[in-house]
Amino acid sequence: QKEVEQDPGPLSVPEGAIVSLNCTYSNSAFQYFMWYRQYSRKGPELLMYTYSSGNKEDGRFTAQVDKSSKYISLFIRDSQPSDSATYLCASDTTEDGNNRLAFGKGNQVVVIP
Amino acid sequence: NAGVTQTPKFRVLKTGQSMTLLCAQDMNHEYMYWYRQDPGMGLRLIHYSVGEGTTAKGEVPDGYNVSRLKKQNFLLGLESAAPSQTSVYFCASSYQVSGANVLTFGAGSRLTVL
Repeated sequence: QKEVEQDPGPLSVPEGAIVSLNCTYSNSAFQYFMWYRQYSRKGPELLMYTYSSGNKEDGRFTAQVDKSSKYISLFIRDSQPSDSATYLCASDTTEDGNNRLAFGKGNQVVVIP
Repeated sequence: NAGVTQTPKFRVLKTGQSMTLLCAQDMNHEYMYWYRQDPGMGLRLIHYSVGEGTTAKGEVPDGYNVSRLKKQNFLLGLESAAPSQTSVYFCASSYQVSGANVLTFGAGSRLTVL
């Protein structure tokens, strides 16, 4: 079992809709939770991160973490065609004192004009 | 500020050939990583380094070697390429932001092994 599970199924939504993406994780020690965005044929880039449980908002993007259920969510309000990308969730894990991120498989999102 | 630069961007190899992917970062980051990304598999960590002169195995290290002789460079080597190593390879370096380990990725290197 991967430490971070993300259903990789593609998601198509009309412009202006709310996009909802979810991940689950297994390691109770995870403290930081990130979302990376990856445009086609580009490297991933950090979208936002949260620490522990709670919500974090950045413009049209909201990240939520529920540590009691080990659930990570990303919401995109008023979605735009420019939001079309693959979104990867990630959590940090420490082994032997070294920080290494555990990534989900990513969700491809297509926003249709 | 170039960030993380990967060379080459594209390469085609025949089975059994060897090659080296070069990653360079100009942000003075201590940690560097090599990932591979395959359809339906997500990002998988091959090897990583926590500082100059150090390397460690990740999730899928077999068939790859790495070296970190200089802080700014992280090399990924394939000694005898196999078709299963056809993939997109991403290098990343990281820094800490309020305790969070934030990765900066390169643009990727597309490798095809025939």
